[in-house]
Amino acid sequence: GENVEQHPSTLSVQEGDSAVIKCTYSDSASNYFPWYKQELGKGPQLIIDIRSNVGEKKDQRIAVTLNKTAKHFSLHITETQPEDSAVYFCAASKRSGGGADGLTFGKGTHLIIQP
Amino acid sequence: NAGVMQNPRHLVRRRGQEARLRCSPMKGHSHVYWYRQLPEEGLKFMVYLQKENIIDESGMPKERFSAEFPKEGPSILRIQQVVRGDSAAYFCASSPSRSQETQYFGPGTRLLVL
Repeated sequence: GENVEQHPSTLSVQEGDSAVIKCTYSDSASNYFPWYKQELGKGPQLIIDIRSNVGEKKDQRIAVTLNKTAKHFSLHITETQPEDSAVYFCAASKRSGGGADGLTFGKGTHLIIQP
Repeated sequence: NAGVMQNPRHLVRRRGQEARLRCSPMKGHSHVYWYRQLPEEGLKFMVYLQKENIIDESGMPKERFSAEFPKEGPSILRIQQVVRGDSAAYFCASSPSRSQETQYFGPGTRLLVL
């Protein structure tokens, strides 16, 4: 089955600096890669996703890149703000005949924005 | 448009009791996924259901766990004879159709087994 590795487990950056979180996946058939933000006591919130036919996607301060050859994808947050502090999860899935599979998640990155 | 609803938000059970967790998907969504999150870990897929059908239960423990998504009403995750190791946050997510991979998560149910 799919295995998703995520690094680092904790990331501390100064407010205004950029943050980068990296993930690798094992199943070359995976074709959908979402990123979720989870705040304490809440459910995961989708912040951006990318499909395997695209190499990069951007939404304001957030961007995701995908390297299918290396089976690697990354989340980039620019101009970080205190409200960006949370746990971020990457995930992967593939669409099969019955619909999209369940997501396989990384173990999460605790992002801390230092004021 | 209301999001994914889960109840209860917190559930306390003693060992051996049954736990029932409910999930109402977003309006118009007919696909439901259940995940379990242990402390300091990522979410683990458990089961994928459409209305009245289990599509993929590869992540479900073989015993004591079951899930359903009836034609009417919420999806139910049922845990029989709970043990302390079942203590976790259980999240459901929904998506609108078989062609849409995007999953929207509910707030979760935190189960504590005493």
